[in-house]
Amino acid sequence: KQEVTQIPAALSVPEGENLVLNCSFTDSAIYNLQWFRQDPGKGLTSLLLIQSSQREQTSGRLNASLDKSSGRSTLYIAASQPGDSATYLCAVRGGSEKLVFGKGTKLTVNP
Amino acid sequence: EAQVTQNPRYLITVTGKKLTVTCSQNMNHEYMSWYRQDPGLGLRQIYYSMNVEVTDKGDVPEGYKVSRKEKRNFPLILESPSPNQTSLYFCASSYLAEPTDTQYFGPGTRLTVL
Repeated sequence: KQEVTQIPAALSVPEGENLVLNCSFTDSAIYNLQWFRQDPGKGLTSLLLIQSSQREQTSGRLNASLDKSSGRSTLYIAASQPGDSATYLCAVRGGSEKLVFGKGTKLTVNP
Repeated sequence: EAQVTQNPRYLITVTGKKLTVTCSQNMNHEYMSWYRQDPGLGLRQIYYSMNVEVTDKGDVPEGYKVSRKEKRNFPLILESPSPNQTSLYFCASSYLAEPTDTQYFGPGTRLTVL
């Protein structure tokens, strides 16, 4: 059974800092891995999707990497801003359509 | 605008009073799914549907029903709600079987069962 773990559970950084969020998964047989952002009381917004054949994806200040063999992904946020404050969720898709989610990392960027 | 809509957004009800949470998508997606999100447990799948009239259980289906009579709609039915179904519910949809396809999520329905 696939399990997804995100470390740390919470992170507080000063504005402008570069940071890395971590995600690990137990079963390397995945189709893709997605990073989502969730603002308090809101839905999930897809940030980046990495296919199993890819190593990384970039969107603006965000860069996500995937090492399928070791069961790890990282989300790198450059030059963090207070508007980046949110919970970041990692989710993997295996052989079915189901997404298995980690419990998230709550990020606070302080001005 | 491509979107997944859910109604209601907030609902407070009492134990045993049947309720339905609606979900609709305008992207012609085959796949639709319901998740619940609870503190400390994360998001867990309740039910999913691969197409019209095709539904199946997820990880936590007990106490829920779904139907998929039309491609765009996937309502979640609680026949006899109980307090342990107090949660934040999300509907999601996507095209089928493409590794590049993201899932689109609705804004969530916060349900409180007293």
